[in-house]
Amino acid sequence: RKEVEQDPGPFNVPEGATVAFNCTYSNSASQSFFWYRQDCRKEPKLLMSVYSSGNEDGRFTAQLNRASQYISLLIRDSKLSDSATYLCVVKWGGFQKLVFGTGTRLLVSP
Amino acid sequence: GAVVSQHPSWVICKSGTSVKIECRSLDFQATTMFWYRQFPKQSLMLMATSNEGSKATYEQGVEKDKFLINHASLTLSTLTVTSAHPEDSSFYICSAREALAGGPYEQYFGPGTRLTVT
Repeated sequence: RKEVEQDPGPFNVPEGATVAFNCTYSNSASQSFFWYRQDCRKEPKLLMSVYSSGNEDGRFTAQLNRASQYISLLIRDSKLSDSATYLCVVKWGGFQKLVFGTGTRLLVSP
Repeated sequence: GAVVSQHPSWVICKSGTSVKIECRSLDFQATTMFWYRQFPKQSLMLMATSNEGSKATYEQGVEKDKFLINHASLTLSTLTVTSAHPEDSSFYICSAREALAGGPYEQYFGPGTRLTVT
């Protein structure tokens, strides 16, 4: 079983749509959770951290369910510029190791 | 935010040669740097963790004699791919963690180096 699993997609949505991505992780000792965004042939960039109480940043909402070891990302009012791969990332261990999911590709069309 | 640079951004080399990739933290000191590798349509995989002034810790399955890591200063780490082969062709990304007492230990990623071995 992969440490962090995501549906690879692609998710094809029209502008203005709401889209949700899910992620599961296998290590119950995971300490921190993040969503990163990666554009083609670029480095990943931190989109937002994910907190147990859920958190929102503009059009983006992240949720964490520790009992189910499940993380989600909701994007409202999709923009063309949201087209990218979204990486679910989990941090654990003494060295604060980041473990990346394979990513979910989002394509927003006009 | 903190800036991490990598050089070169892309490199093409012949099979059997060695390639050195540099990772620099430009405006902060990084006690820890990480090296990742990403094959097409796959996730970033951690190769090794290096702490300034000490030997790198390699992940399982990563050959330490093939991927030489040097972290000689708080702003520079290098990855040398020795005797490169076509299967080493990949996107190599470093990240640096700022030396802040107590955390939050955010990692900042470099722009990556695309290696093609012919």
